[in-house]
Amino acid sequence: EDQVTQSPEALRLQEGESSSLNCSYTVSGLRGLFWYRQDPGKGPEFLFTLYSAGEEKEKERLKATLTKKESFLHITAPKPEDSATYLCAVLSGGYNKLIFGAGTRLAVHP
Amino acid sequence: DAGITQSPRYKITETGRQVTLMCHQTWSHSYMFWYRQDLGHGLRLIYYSAAADITDKGEVPDGYVVSRSKTENFPLTLESATRSQTSVYFCASEYREGTEAFFGQGTRLTVV
Repeated sequence: EDQVTQSPEALRLQEGESSSLNCSYTVSGLRGLFWYRQDPGKGPEFLFTLYSAGEEKEKERLKATLTKKESFLHITAPKPEDSATYLCAVLSGGYNKLIFGAGTRLAVHP
Repeated sequence: DAGITQSPRYKITETGRQVTLMCHQTWSHSYMFWYRQDLGHGLRLIYYSAAADITDKGEVPDGYVVSRSKTENFPLTLESATRSQTSVYFCASEYREGTEAFFGQGTRLTVV
């Protein structure tokens, strides 16, 4: 059964304190791994798509990486405006629709 | 304005009533989706549509009905609402299956 697990559930950081969020997955043939950001009361907003192990993508203070079993979202020198829930989703060959993890709630304090 | 819009944003209904959540997109995307989001479960797919008049079940379709007579609209109907359907519902669209999804702002539904 395809499964996506995100950890930690919640993370509190001080401004400037770098860290990483984890997304581990078991799927039958990964076709893509997606990262979304969700602010309170809003819909998810697309960040990155990764397609193969070893691939990396960056956007401002965020960097996403992918291995055969997991993906990391690295946050470098975060700011309070980076506070949000970060969602990971996978697209598998077996079930041709996105499967989402439960998300990581990130709070960055000044 | 261009984009994907959901209505209403908030809805309170009684058990057993029929309620319809609306979704409209202006991009002419082929694919549209309905998800529900509950604490601890993340987003779960209810129904999706590959084009007008083509719909299919997702992970949690029971108690829901969809239709898509026009490309831009994808309404979700709860035929007889139950308390377990209290949730936040998100509509999304994709230009091509498996690509970046664009989400609406969500509808918070409470069934009392």
